[in-house]
Amino acid sequence: NAGVTQTPKFQVLKTGQSMTLQCAQDMNHNSMYWYRQDPGMGLRLIYYSASEGTTDKGEVPNGYNVSRLNKREFSLRLESAAPSQTSVYFCASRGASANQPQHFGDGTRLSIL
Amino acid sequence: AQSVTQLGSHVSVSEGALVLLRCNYSSSVPPYLFWYVQYPNQGLQLLLKYTSAATLVKGINGFEAEFKKSETSFHLTKPSAHMSDAAEYFCAVSRAYSGAGSYQLTFGKGTKLSVIP
Repeated sequence: NAGVTQTPKFQVLKTGQSMTLQCAQDMNHNSMYWYRQDPGMGLRLIYYSASEGTTDKGEVPNGYNVSRLNKREFSLRLESAAPSQTSVYFCASRGASANQPQHFGDGTRLSIL
Repeated sequence: AQSVTQLGSHVSVSEGALVLLRCNYSSSVPPYLFWYVQYPNQGLQLLLKYTSAATLVKGINGFEAEFKKSETSFHLTKPSAHMSDAAEYFCAVSRAYSGAGSYQLTFGKGTKLSVIP
């Protein structure tokens, strides 16, 4: 009963390095999301994917790119990491209708020095 | 645009006391509303959801919330706090994102609940 799986769980990067955060869901959901969580800010949407082959910007997309590899997988890439991107990143997925909740992974804790 | 306001970033209650976490929303259309809980170093877990079937919604772990349209509120309550309830709680409202077919959640900034023995 995996749900939403994120890898890695922790990562430390140096400024300017790149990395990809991976997310996979096994619930056959069409929609997937990437959020960042910062103290006192709640969750802010970075990018989302309504279905396989489509992606759209959320509230805070600058500095990030995404790929919806297939229906199960949705990755988030930092091309040139900056200290302001130090955060906890959450992936989520949901079913088709508006009253369905989003299901979250356990997060990736990313520090950029 | 939709928004969610959670009153109080930090709430402390004694064990056995009533828990009341406040959430007010703004929405131009009837909303779907959710409460999530986050335990330390974990993701968000759904507590309960309002989807217009009933105004009083019961969730997991003894929590419930009442949708009050006239007050645009969806406050979360639990009659008797337990030590295991210490966590951060998020209220969220769902809207349909125009043209995308993917319903967005707008989150409040969260309320951290402490339970005092």
